[in-house]
Amino acid sequence: AQSVTQPDIHITVSEGASLELRCNYSYGATPYLFWYVQSPGQGLQLLLKYFSGDTLVQGIKGFEAEFKRSQSSFNLRKPSVHWSDAAEYFCAVGARIGYSTLTFGKGTMLLVSP
Amino acid sequence: DAMVIQNPRYQVTQFGKPVTLSCSQTLNHNVMYWYQQKSSQAPKLLFHYYDKDFNNEADTPDNFQSRRPNTSFCFLDIRSPGLGDAAMYLCATSLGAAGTDTQYFGPGTRLTVL
Repeated sequence: AQSVTQPDIHITVSEGASLELRCNYSYGATPYLFWYVQSPGQGLQLLLKYFSGDTLVQGIKGFEAEFKRSQSSFNLRKPSVHWSDAAEYFCAVGARIGYSTLTFGKGTMLLVSP
Repeated sequence: DAMVIQNPRYQVTQFGKPVTLSCSQTLNHNVMYWYQQKSSQAPKLLFHYYDKDFNNEADTPDNFQSRRPNTSFCFLDIRSPGLGDAAMYLCATSLGAAGTDTQYFGPGTRLTVL
């Protein structure tokens, strides 16, 4: 069965500083990988996704993520954080075979300090 | 704009009193999903419809039912809500059920059980 681990429950970053959110997955093959963001009281919005090809993927709002097969990781990065980035971030894995339901990690809450 | 709409955004019910949550979509997607998200936890898939085909997750309690009368609408019925069912309920849609089909989420319905 597939699983996702987000080791950091909370992260605080100063506005303008760089950000990296960690995500590790467990899957028998190369999975489909996603990052979603959830603002308070809102649904999930897709930031970016990885299916194949270039392991560095660009997303919306200036985010990028890098797939590293050897580390089973798909970390999310942003070079300069804005106060509006404060939200909860979820990494998710989807299967390549059959119905591709998503398995989410428990999320990382990003706090941005002035 | 094409979107996923959930009504109501906030629902309060009494212990044991049946409740129905609504989801509609203007994306004309084939697949509709219901997730349960408890506080500080990952969204957990309850079930999904591919057109009229219903797919229940193995660990979804019998207390949770769903209906999809047409392509645009999907309902979540909780027959006898318990205190443990208080959560955010997220509806999502995707064009197909392949791993490359992105899921689009609604804003969620926050359910309170008194």
